[in-house]
Amino acid sequence: EDQVTQSPEALRLQEGESSSLNCSYTVSGLRGLFWYRQDPGKGPEFLFTLYSAGEEKEKERLKATLTKKESFLHITAPKPEDSATYLCAVLTTDSWGKLQFGAGTQVVVTP
Amino acid sequence: NAGVTQTPKFRVLKTGQSMTLLCAQDMNHEYMYWYRQDPGMGLRLIHYSVGEGTTAKGEVPDGYNVSRLKKQNFLLGLESAAPSQTSVYFCASSYSNGLYGYTFGSGTRLTVV
Repeated sequence: EDQVTQSPEALRLQEGESSSLNCSYTVSGLRGLFWYRQDPGKGPEFLFTLYSAGEEKEKERLKATLTKKESFLHITAPKPEDSATYLCAVLTTDSWGKLQFGAGTQVVVTP
Repeated sequence: NAGVTQTPKFRVLKTGQSMTLLCAQDMNHEYMYWYRQDPGMGLRLIHYSVGEGTTAKGEVPDGYNVSRLKKQNFLLGLESAAPSQTSVYFCASSYSNGLYGYTFGSGTRLTVV
């Protein structure tokens, strides 16, 4: 059975304190791994897609990396506006377009 | 472009009542999905559609029905609401069987009392 596990469940950071979020996955065949940002009361917003091990993508203070077993979302020198829940999801070779999501990591950045 | 629009945004139902949630997308996407989001459980797929006139069950389909009569619309129905269906419901659409990710709506917060 495919599984997606995110850790930690919650993360509290001081402004400027860099950290990483983890998404580990066990799937039959990975087609893509996705990172989303979700603000309270809103729908998830797309951040990155990673398709193969070794791939990296960056956007402002966020950098996503992928290995054969896990993905990391690195937040460099975070600001309060980076506070959100970050979701990862996997698309597998036999999923017919269905994303399977992890439970998310809630990040709070304090000034 | 509006993207994915969900209506209503909030609703309170009594146990046993029925309702329909509407999802509309203006991106000409073939694939559409309904997820529910509960604390600590992440997003779970209820039903999905790979094209106009098609629907299929997801991970948690019991108590829900769907219809996709037009390509741009995907309706989620609750025939007899139960308190366990209290949740936030998200609709999403995708262009190419999810390979480029989803576009989500802003959600419907449903409370069943």
